[in-house]
Amino acid sequence: SAVISQKPSRDICQRGTSLTIQCQVDSQVTMMFWYRQQPGQSLTLIATANQGSEATYESGFVIDKFPISRPNLTFSTLTVSNMSPEDSSIYLCSVAGTGEGYGYTFGSGTRLTVV
Amino acid sequence: GEDVEQSLFLSVREGDSSVINCTYTDSSSTYLYWYKQEPGAGLQLLTYIFSNMDMKQDQRLTVLLNKKDKHLSLRIADTQTGDSAIYFCAETEQAGTALIFGKGTTLSVSS
Repeated sequence: SAVISQKPSRDICQRGTSLTIQCQVDSQVTMMFWYRQQPGQSLTLIATANQGSEATYESGFVIDKFPISRPNLTFSTLTVSNMSPEDSSIYLCSVAGTGEGYGYTFGSGTRLTVV
Repeated sequence: GEDVEQSLFLSVREGDSSVINCTYTDSSSTYLYWYKQEPGAGLQLLTYIFSNMDMKQDQRLTVLLNKKDKHLSLRIADTQTGDSAIYFCAETEQAGTALIFGKGTTLSVSS
């Protein structure tokens, strides 16, 4: 299964600023997924990022707030823009597997605190 | 839209069996997964089952799928304190598309 390197692992940011989260995969993948996990909550899909096309955002998430880049088949970034305390969450990237069970792999997550 | 429901808490004694339940609404769900999340850690894939299967066993883990009732369960035999974590049920209709997650069940194992 793929291995994902996600960074930063955590950050404390001032409100109104932006943070860019990076995910590097050790193999080429078509789609990458970005999730948000608010404190004590489940994972909510933010967007799906295909290489060479605009990301597809889920209801409640917009490109101006969460711009995504996908410059190649092994890398993606998610930016959390103009942050407020409500953006304090864990952000995770994920890719689908290709082997038995198509098990999805997740990055270790970025724990963001906005003050 | 698609929805995945789980009970929020389960408490068991060490050595007992744990059964975590999940129901889903999308009848097209084809791939169903169980993930484990320990405090401060990422998501670990535990096991999976396809919709054309009724049961899958992997060491201490048994997954049962009732497709008619859209009900999925994860049984952990001989539960250990190291099994204490949050367990997420997740599903997708098509391999390679995004997973939809349940809210997670917090399993607490006491010695």
